[in-house]
Amino acid sequence: DAEITQSPRHKITETGRQVTLACHQIWNHNNMFWYRQDLGHGLRLIHYSYGVHDTNKGEVSDGYSVSRSNTEDLPLTLESAASSQTSVYFCASSLAGTNEQFFGPGTRLTVL
Amino acid sequence: EDQVTQSPEALRLQEGESSSLNCSYTVSGLRGLFWYRQDPGKGPEFLFTLYSAGEEKEKERLKATLTKKESFLHITAPKPEDSATYLCAASPDSGGYQKVTFGTGTKLQVIP
Repeated sequence: DAEITQSPRHKITETGRQVTLACHQIWNHNNMFWYRQDLGHGLRLIHYSYGVHDTNKGEVSDGYSVSRSNTEDLPLTLESAASSQTSVYFCASSLAGTNEQFFGPGTRLTVL
Repeated sequence: EDQVTQSPEALRLQEGESSSLNCSYTVSGLRGLFWYRQDPGKGPEFLFTLYSAGEEKEKERLKATLTKKESFLHITAPKPEDSATYLCAASPDSGGYQKVTFGTGTKLQVIP
């Protein structure tokens, strides 16, 4: 099983601040993903990466950015946090060529 | 548009009372159908991948089956520790490995 860590686990911030959520995986998976999970919605894809220096927009990417400078990490940045970005954020990874995604424990973000 | 619908939204069972969770999917060609278990405050935990109609997979008290339009997660003689939210997801055979549509889940509670 993949081991993915996320930090912080809980974060409270104010509207307009920049926030970065960290994601680190130890299994050298090429594919990494960021999702948000809100009540009444399935997991929704924010950004994804298939390898170093590769980043792509997902379904709900507005207001978010990612960068991939190494295989292990895919930090998610909220450029100017908005209350609508209050959510639980999950990072996931998978082996190249596979769909089985392994998830981190999540970060609960509150934007006041 | 790809869609995954899970039912029921919530299910309460007595310990030992077997039942099934339903996942209806609409994707343009199925690459894979996935089941995850999610405990409160944690990330989804991968359970199964099914690839073609008629396929079945088992793990302890859980058995997942697949038809051309639905998947079922059968729970036989459940125990309280099976209480969790079960997520279904489908990936179409077109597009990249990021294309995974998640359902909103079935929250299962098993009462001793």
